[in-house]
Amino acid sequence: AQTVTQSQPEMSVQEAETVTLSCTYDTSESNYYLFWYKQPPSRQMILVIRQEAYKQQNATENRFSVNFQKAAKSFSLKISDSQLGDTAMYFCAFIRINNDMRFGAGTRLTVKP
Amino acid sequence: DSGVTQTPKHLITATGQRVTLRCSPRSGDLSVYWYQQSLDQGLQFLIHYYNGEERAKGNILERFSAQQFPDLHSELNLSSLELGDSALYFCASSVQLDKQFFGPGTRLTVL
Repeated sequence: AQTVTQSQPEMSVQEAETVTLSCTYDTSESNYYLFWYKQPPSRQMILVIRQEAYKQQNATENRFSVNFQKAAKSFSLKISDSQLGDTAMYFCAFIRINNDMRFGAGTRLTVKP
Repeated sequence: DSGVTQTPKHLITATGQRVTLRCSPRSGDLSVYWYQQSLDQGLQFLIHYYNGEERAKGNILERFSAQQFPDLHSELNLSSLELGDSALYFCASSVQLDKQFFGPGTRLTVL
């Protein structure tokens, strides 16, 4: 079975600082995709960043970057220069070919002024 | 704005009733996914349609069904509603497996 684990239910960070959210997953597949989604209080699901499993290079999107460790099945999200607008639930997700997307339970991030 | 639309935004109904949630994917997207997010929980995958055909099924109850029409819009039908069905229901669309765009969701309240 494919599972996604986010071990940090809640985290907080001071504005302008850096925070890392953890995610581990379990799969026997070699070809898959990993994602981080952000869900602000509006409840809209917003794609933050994605990573193809066959790519060794870590994905980056502006202030957001990932540390993808395929052997360890780890996929953490680093947010640099945190902003108040980053306050949200963050979900790690996993999908493989012809299968459903599995989400972690989420990490509630609060950015403090 | 993701380009995915869902109607209605809110729905309040009683136990035992039947409702239909509608999703219009982004222009050109052939895939539609449905997810359920209960209060303070993560998202649970329900079902995936591709160009009118069911491709994958997740934790979807037998009381729930879905279809995708020739114009690619999709409907999720929920029947014999129970209190526990109260949730936020998301639709997502994609043209590629690795890029799903989510709609704003339909909030269902069962009283």
